[in-house]
Amino acid sequence: DIQMTQSPSSLSASVGDRVTITCRASQSISNYLNWFQQIPGRAPKSLIYAASSLQSGVPSRFSGSGSGTDFTLTISSLQPEDFATYYCQHSHTTPYTFGQGTKLEI
Amino acid sequence: QVQLQESGPGLVKPSGTLSLTCAVSGGSISSNNWWNWVRQPPGKGLEWIGEIYHSGSTNYNPSLKSRVTISVDKSKNQFSLKLSSLTAADTAVYYCARDLGSRQENYWGQGTLVTVSS
Repeated sequence: DIQMTQSPSSLSASVGDRVTITCRASQSISNYLNWFQQIPGRAPKSLIYAASSLQSGVPSRFSGSGSGTDFTLTISSLQPEDFATYYCQHSHTTPYTFGQGTKLEI
Repeated sequence: QVQLQESGPGLVKPSGTLSLTCAVSGGSISSNNWWNWVRQPPGKGLEWIGEIYHSGSTNYNPSLKSRVTISVDKSKNQFSLKLSSLTAADTAVYYCARDLGSRQENYWGQGTLVTVSS
């Protein structure tokens, strides 16, 4: 199975900050990479697919980049509703696997 | 926009079988999409269970393959999950989702909590 490793596991930031979360795959996955946001008690919400494509309805302050094994999710200016846990997930081959999550706290 | 809604019992007994259904609205289950199940134990991360295409083709997580069956009902525009030989470790929120395995937009249901307990 392809392992996905996120860093950091947790992150403290303030409203207005620029934040970057990293996801590394244990082998090359081209751009088969999704990013999700999860608020406690809620379902995951899709943010980015194919490493850098913005899901419809997602604010443009969210962006994704990377290819191969190294990927990043960037939030350009944190808003209060962005404090949540973020997951990456590869879709290169089955079984699809998720990173362990990055908890973004105030 | 496509919407997905899970349904099924919230409490199942150990050694029993979990049965969940995901109803699809705003789109056809016979379209060019893969339909997935994912679970999340309380306070833990996400685990992909498997996926199905409307033709009936499936892919399963090897860690669960011996206990999982995913099926599709085109007449009802829904797909289903069965997980057998349950233990407490199968207690989780179960989500259905569309297109987690392709480079296109993906969509999730709201999830349903299943507790395995006698």
